[in-house]
Amino acid sequence: GAGVSQSPRYKVTKRGQDVTLRCDPISSHATLYWYQQALGQGPEFLTYFNYEAQPDKSGLPSDRFSAERPEGSISTLTIQRTEQRDSAMYRCASSLTTQQNEKLFFGSGTQLSVL
Amino acid sequence: AQSVTQLGSHVSVSEGALVLLRCNYSSSVPPYLFWYVQYPNQGLQLLLKYTTGATLVKGINGFEAEFKKSETSFHLTKPSAHMSDAAEYFCAVSKNTGGFKTIFGAGTRLFVKA
Repeated sequence: GAGVSQSPRYKVTKRGQDVTLRCDPISSHATLYWYQQALGQGPEFLTYFNYEAQPDKSGLPSDRFSAERPEGSISTLTIQRTEQRDSAMYRCASSLTTQQNEKLFFGSGTQLSVL
Repeated sequence: AQSVTQLGSHVSVSEGALVLLRCNYSSSVPPYLFWYVQYPNQGLQLLLKYTTGATLVKGINGFEAEFKKSETSFHLTKPSAHMSDAAEYFCAVSKNTGGFKTIFGAGTRLFVKA
């Protein structure tokens, strides 16, 4: 696509429910990142993919969080048994390669609210 | 370890005044540095980046930043603020983890007064 697309734009869920967030990166981009951004903070790295490989999961807060990118394109981030502290903006970004100086292209994010 | 510190969570300037947003980094190796801007209800957009070479980097919308290794700083400036510059600005550093991930500062919200 022309830009990075995330869905849904807003998600409200009850504590204990599972949620799945979706990211559709720019079609030519090999690398896809997930970030969590709390109110008033900068984006915090969660994980990234190089095509379908997931070299770094170090930012995932707990084993309730998982991400996949099975065909090296669209990615999903799943949070199981959601907790109120999971409420945040979840941002997806893609880049052409994993080179250190690559520009990231961000989607508009999914605002998750856990009640 | 690499990290980014942005001094001042909020900065307010008058229209036409100088904009100065401060960023300091810590890095054990020469870093790659970035400034991103976030307008309301939009994703982050790259303003400018420093990789190697010239230490004064020019970006979009009249912004520029200077890499000062001796001060471990990468401050963002613009000579004359416009109302449209009101946004949140994030400084970031690229970290090598066997691929590269970008680490962001906490952000500085810029207010521009008429």
